[in-house]
Amino acid sequence: GAVVSQHPSWVICKSGTSVKIECRSLDFQATTMFWYRQFPKQSLMLMATSNEGSKATYEQGVEKDKFLINHASLTLSTLTVTSAHPEDSSFYICSAKDVRTSGGAGEQFFGPGTRLTVL
Amino acid sequence: KNQVEQSPQSLIILEGKNCTLQCNYTVSPFSNLRWYKQDTGRGPVSLTIMTFSENTKSNGRYTATLDADTKQSSLHITASQLSDSASYICVVSVSTGGFKTIFGAGTRLFVKA
Repeated sequence: GAVVSQHPSWVICKSGTSVKIECRSLDFQATTMFWYRQFPKQSLMLMATSNEGSKATYEQGVEKDKFLINHASLTLSTLTVTSAHPEDSSFYICSAKDVRTSGGAGEQFFGPGTRLTVL
Repeated sequence: KNQVEQSPQSLIILEGKNCTLQCNYTVSPFSNLRWYKQDTGRGPVSLTIMTFSENTKSNGRYTATLDADTKQSSLHITASQLSDSASYICVVSVSTGGFKTIFGAGTRLFVKA
């Protein structure tokens, strides 16, 4: 089955530092990857849609200069939280769509998530 | 407005019992509906995916139904196990030239011994 990995699985950093999270599709190519944020006991909130070779599309209210997204290849997207603050502490989850099943009926495969704690 | 509502918010059942989770949506135009299971601290894992023409789909002890006329879906779990304790998320995709998914808030299921 399709596998999406994230690295790191958890990270603790000091306030003001930047943190990079990687999302990889291990056995398929993904033209589109999605980044979500999830706070405790809440559902996933879409932050941005990452398209290979082009700029990411950010959801309303998400600062693109704070959450930098790069989708340099069909198997890798990165999310960099710049100048992280305690309120950025959350569970960040990526997902990817298999290029072979693109379109509305295509299935999203989720990564295991990255727990970010900003001190 | 595209919305996905799930009920109940949380549910506690005894091991071995069955349960049914509900998902109502007001999404148009409808593309597909998926149920995901999310264990605490993990990413969601797909259970079922149904398109407009599909009424039911099973995955082991999980059976999802879809009524496209009433815009309702249910996820039935048979003979629950302790490992079924998780959040179950209903996700509806909209086909509007692009690709947009609407997430439900999820139902938190607790299975007790």
